[in-house]
Amino acid sequence: TQLLEQSPQFLSIQEGENLTVYCNSSSVFSSLQWYRQEPGEGPVLLVTVVTGGEVKKLKRLTFQFGDARKDSSLHITAAQPGDTGLYLCAGAENYGGSQGNLIFGKGTKLSVKP
Amino acid sequence: DSGVTQTPKHLITATGQRVTLRCSPRSGDLSVYWYQQSLDQGLQFLIHYYNGEERAKGNILERFSAQQFPDLHSELNLSSLELGDSALYFCASSVVASWSYEQYFGPGTRLTVT
Repeated sequence: TQLLEQSPQFLSIQEGENLTVYCNSSSVFSSLQWYRQEPGEGPVLLVTVVTGGEVKKLKRLTFQFGDARKDSSLHITAAQPGDTGLYLCAGAENYGGSQGNLIFGKGTKLSVKP
Repeated sequence: DSGVTQTPKHLITATGQRVTLRCSPRSGDLSVYWYQQSLDQGLQFLIHYYNGEERAKGNILERFSAQQFPDLHSELNLSSLELGDSALYFCASSVVASWSYEQYFGPGTRLTVT
């Protein structure tokens, strides 16, 4: 069974600070997604990374996929209160070579204070 | 708005009862996934349907079942409910043959079993 470990579990910072959250596994994933979830709502897809070593930027958010496709990181520059939420990473699990289900980490709960 | 709809938004019922949760995927998506999210377990994959057929099962209890209808909407049936079944239930849909396995989540149904 493939598992994704996210760290830290909780993060509370001041507006303007930078932060990095991590997503690690002992397994190789064909792709990895990052989602952001607000309380009582469904996760919203932020980005998908597919190629080992890939870096994607979404405004102040930078996502990186590890060279071996086993880990990923999310870096936020100059965090804002609107960045507050639960950040989830999810790895695509293959079965039979066809479209598979996602394995989710337990998430990093980020709180950005004004 | 992800384009995935779920009803009802909230559901309160008693132990031993049976409920049905409904999901309509995004237009054109043939895959529907069901997830359970609780505070201690995070987002757990339950089951995946593709174009009416079951494709994969995750941590789904025998008391739970699902189906996908010809119009592609899906229903998750939960029976003999227990207090521990209280959770948020999400469905997600995805594009056919998506190499990136991106999933789009609905707003969820909050189930409270009393």
